[in-house]
Amino acid sequence: AQTVTQSQPEMSVQEAETVTLSCTYDTSESDYYLFWYKQPPSRQMILVIRQEAYKQQNATENRFSVNFQKAAKSFSLKISDSQLGDAAMYFCARNYGGSQGNLIFGKGTKLSVKP
Amino acid sequence: GAVVSQHPSRVICKSGTSVKIECRSLDFQATTMFWYRQFPKKSLMLMATSNEGSKATYEQGVEKDKFLINHASLTLSTLTVTSAHPEDSSFYICSASDVSPSDTQYFGPGTRLTVL
Repeated sequence: AQTVTQSQPEMSVQEAETVTLSCTYDTSESDYYLFWYKQPPSRQMILVIRQEAYKQQNATENRFSVNFQKAAKSFSLKISDSQLGDAAMYFCARNYGGSQGNLIFGKGTKLSVKP
Repeated sequence: GAVVSQHPSRVICKSGTSVKIECRSLDFQATTMFWYRQFPKKSLMLMATSNEGSKATYEQGVEKDKFLINHASLTLSTLTVTSAHPEDSSFYICSASDVSPSDTQYFGPGTRLTVL
């Protein structure tokens, strides 16, 4: 089965603190990409970070970093120094079907940031 | 860079009419565009994949005669909801991948369709 699972429907973090969003996935492919997308109330999907499965080094983008555990098929997102603007739905996604593969999304985690 | 636009952002139509939604990649050429549907508080569900100059590939359960997709150029794809019914009311989002197979999809801002 090709699934992406986000086990946390909702998360909350205090401003300036760190939060980790979980994501696990299933795949039979050896080469694939993983993504975290953010969807704020405007509903515009914004790419937060992406990871290529053949790279062992965890991707980082400023305050956002991932913990990619390929053997465990785990791809968590860590947000450091959380800001009010980080409040949004976060979707984990994996591509399938080759170089122009489709995306399969998790159900999302709603992140709230408390001032 | 990597900006995708959608038009209209919001549309209300009567049952039985057809509605066309445009998706444009503004600053890159998109060999592949994707159309998603998102129900309230739900994740995105892929409807179809369109490649420039060829027929779209529809996901299982998506009616190709109801949701017509045309990808006439490397910067434009259109989704036409034909004979719309209230159950077609939803948030439709397109995305585009650029020519080099970077596997990153860039999303449009979405179109809210309401069928009365």
